[in-house]
This record gives sequence, C-alpha cells and structure tokens, in this order.
Amino acid sequence: QLQLQESGPGLVKPSETLSLTCTVSGDSISSSSYYWGWIRQPPGKGLEWVGTIYYSGSTYYNPSLKSRVTISVDTSKNQFSLKLISVTAADTAVYYCARVHYGSGSYRPYYFDYWGQGALVTVSS
Amino acid sequence: DIVMTQSPDSLAVSLGERATINCKSSQSVLYNSNNKNYLAWYQQKPGQPPKLLIYWASTRESGVPDRFSGSGSGTDFTLTISSLQAEDVAVYYCQQYYGTPLTFGQGTKLEIK
Repeated sequence: QLQLQESGPGLVKPSETLSLTCTVSGDSISSSSYYWGWIRQPPGKGLEWVGTIYYSGSTYYNPSLKSRVTISVDTSKNQFSLKLISVTAADTAVYYCARVHYGSGSYRPYYFDYWGQGALVTVSS
Repeated sequence: DIVMTQSPDSLAVSLGERATINCKSSQSVLYNSNNKNYLAWYQQKPGQPPKLLIYWASTRESGVPDRFSGSGSGTDFTLTISSLQAEDVAVYYCQQYYGTPLTFGQGTKLEIK
C-alpha cells in the first residue's frame, strides 16, 4: 500500500526558508508512471498547487510561487523535497505531498491519487 | 490561469436525499483531440487530506461508492451524491488539469440537514 509522509519544521521565521521532505513507501519514486507533487492549504481555506516533479528532476511550478520554490528528488532515499524561500505569514499552511498522474503524451501533471497526511507549517517570529 | 468556481459554497441535505455540487471553469477543459474533460473531484473530511473521487469528469476512482457520480463537459460540471450518507459530510473540491497551473475550486461544504 502506497504511503507518503511529510516531515520538517513546524515553525519557520519570516524571511527564512521552509523545507519539507516527503518520504514515499510502497512504491518507487523512480517509477516512470507518476509525478510527485506538493499542494498547500492555508488554515480554513482551499487548496493551492505548489509544484510537481518527475524522478528525472523535471519540474512544473505554480507561477505564483515559482520565484521562491524549488522541488527536488532523491531517488536513493525514495524522497522528494520542497524548499520555499523568503516566507511570510501568507505561507502558513498545511503542506501535502501527493502522487500525481500525468499525461503520457504531454507529460503534464494531471490529478492526485495518493496524499500524505499533511504537515502544518506556521510562519511566525 | 483557469479559474474554477463552485456553487453553492455550502449545502445541507437530508440523509438519503440527493446532493448536487456544481463546478464551472473560466475556459473549456475539454480537449477536443481525445474528447476528454480534464477535471477531477475530491472529498476532504475534517483533519484529513483530500481523497480523489472522480477523474476525467466522470470516471470513479477505485473503491469510491457508486452513489458518487460526475457529469458535465466543457465548462460546466456536476458532482452528484445520489443518496446522502452520514459519512459523506465533507468539503468537496473540483480541480482542472487541462493546463498549468493546476487549479482548484474554492470548495463546497456539505452538511446534513
């Protein structure tokens, strides 16, 4: 059974860098069949796609965050990671990692079928 | 960006009755070359991650009860729960994957009347 687990600091100071890791078990992140992605949800609000990565390192980012976000993959550890720089209170959210279906012809990310439980990250001094 | 707008924002339905949630996209999410609508639906219960219910607008994910169905095409879509059960209380989101950035509707909160 596929499982995803987010880990990282729950509190980050303004202007610093948010770093989270997603550990995947039950499937190889090197599988060519899926992308892997991050979605966030501010408390009491809706869902926002952050970005997506393929095992090869190819990425798609939300343009609203692109200047601040980096997603990377470590196939040896079966993990992928999120870094968001220069955070503000507006980046306070539950951050979910998820498995992503993609188009076999277009290689664009599609929908999310497995999700982690989420990690609450609060930006505060 | 494709803007997804759901209606209503909240909905109260009696147990056993039909629940209908609408989702409208700011541009068509129907890809003409394969006649597929690039739209998914998710269910999110309190304190839990979203759960995929429907993709390609009407294909039910494995294990999802058949009381959940998706319909629509182009810009207008509907999620229907044919007979509401207590465990269906949740927030429901639509999501388009026709283009990036991937975008979600604002959510519809479904409660028991």
